[in-house]
Amino acid sequence: SAVISQKPSRDICQRGTSLTIQCQVDSQVTMMFWYRQQPGQSLTLIATANQGSEATYESGFVIDKFPISRPNLTFSTLTVSNMSPEDSSIYLCSVTLAGGPYEQYFGPGTRLTVT
Amino acid sequence: EDKVVQSPLSLVVHEGDTVTLNCSYEVTNFRSLLWYKQEKKAPTFLFMLTSSGIEKKSGRLSSILDKKELFSILNITATQTGDSAVYLCAVKNNAGNMLTFGGGTRLMVKP
Repeated sequence: SAVISQKPSRDICQRGTSLTIQCQVDSQVTMMFWYRQQPGQSLTLIATANQGSEATYESGFVIDKFPISRPNLTFSTLTVSNMSPEDSSIYLCSVTLAGGPYEQYFGPGTRLTVT
Repeated sequence: EDKVVQSPLSLVVHEGDTVTLNCSYEVTNFRSLLWYKQEKKAPTFLFMLTSSGIEKKSGRLSSILDKKELFSILNITATQTGDSAVYLCAVKNNAGNMLTFGGGTRLMVKP
């Protein structure tokens, strides 16, 4: 497995502001993903973070709202922009490790509350 | 569109009981099925299954996949209060690396 860290672990933000969440992995990874889990719901994929190029977003998610960077193989950031209370969720970074068998692991998550 | 359905939605048992959690799926070009345990925020990886009929086992937990009938089960024997969590099933197809999650089964184990 891998050690995945996320910062911050939680935050309370005011509507209209932005928050950047960081994800750091201690191993070489092939894929990095960002998921969202709204209260009482299961996990939904926001986007795949691509190294050195624009992220690949899933239906319903756009770059202006959730800009993502991945400057190297082991680090990525997700920004939640112009926040509203509907953005209150747990945001999770997820990775598959290089070399297979391509099990997918999750970071500890960031609990975001927007007031 | 890939789809994963878990049952039951929730389950309450007593310590020492054995439980079976179900996961059925519809996916184009199936690649793998994964089980996770979620207690607070982060889902913890349990198993990844790719081949039919081969049981994966870790301590009191075991899982098996039936690719013909498109389902998997997760068994927990001699349950303990520490097993209380939401158990998530997810599938991955060959088109990409996206995981499609089921709604989860919330397990509560009472002393």
